[in-house]
Amino acid sequence: SQQGEEDPQALSIQEGENATMNCSYKTSINNLQWYRQNSGRGLVHLILIRSNEREKHSGRLRVTLDTSKKSSSLLITASRAADTASYFCAPGRAGSYQLTFGKGTKLSVIP
Amino acid sequence: NAGVTQTPKFQVLKTGQSMTLQCAQDMNHEYMSWYRQDPGMGLRLIHYSVGAGITDQGEVPNGYNVSRSTTEDFPLRLLSAAPSQTSVYFCASSYSGPRGNQPQHFGDGTRLSIL
Repeated sequence: SQQGEEDPQALSIQEGENATMNCSYKTSINNLQWYRQNSGRGLVHLILIRSNEREKHSGRLRVTLDTSKKSSSLLITASRAADTASYFCAPGRAGSYQLTFGKGTKLSVIP
Repeated sequence: NAGVTQTPKFQVLKTGQSMTLQCAQDMNHEYMSWYRQDPGMGLRLIHYSVGAGITDQGEVPNGYNVSRSTTEDFPLRLLSAAPSQTSVYFCASSYSGPRGNQPQHFGDGTRLSIL
């Protein structure tokens, strides 16, 4: 299984603070994706980073990838209450049609 | 552009009943997949399809059947529902799937309870 493992399982911060979530995986990947899930909704794609990239930005989101350590991190800067959600990483194994997800990090941003 | 549409949103079944969860997308995506989400388990892949007429098993396929007769639709069938299949089911689609470095588009899920 190419399942990623997110850490921490839960994170609670004050509005305006930065939030960092980590993802570790086991084998070689083609890419790694991050998704957000609001309560009672489906997953929403945030960022895809390819295996030959080390860092990628999208608005207040910054993703890093270290293939030598088989790990990735998602940084949300200047967090808002609306960022409260669960965040999932999905490592995409090269040549595989199966995209598997970790158990997620539950982020709570307190106003 | 509706994206990925799942019906029904909620369903209660009795053990042994059968039903079909519907998934439709209007983005001309070749790749479609079904996941189930259980508390503490994350999302687990049930079945996927890389195009009309082509399906394959994921991590947890037992108890579920799929078919893909059109690009737009990818129904998931429970032939004889069991309480262990109580879960939230998500359908997702993309142009070319994980191989093609493509993001997945998810529906809002079907919440299924089996008594």
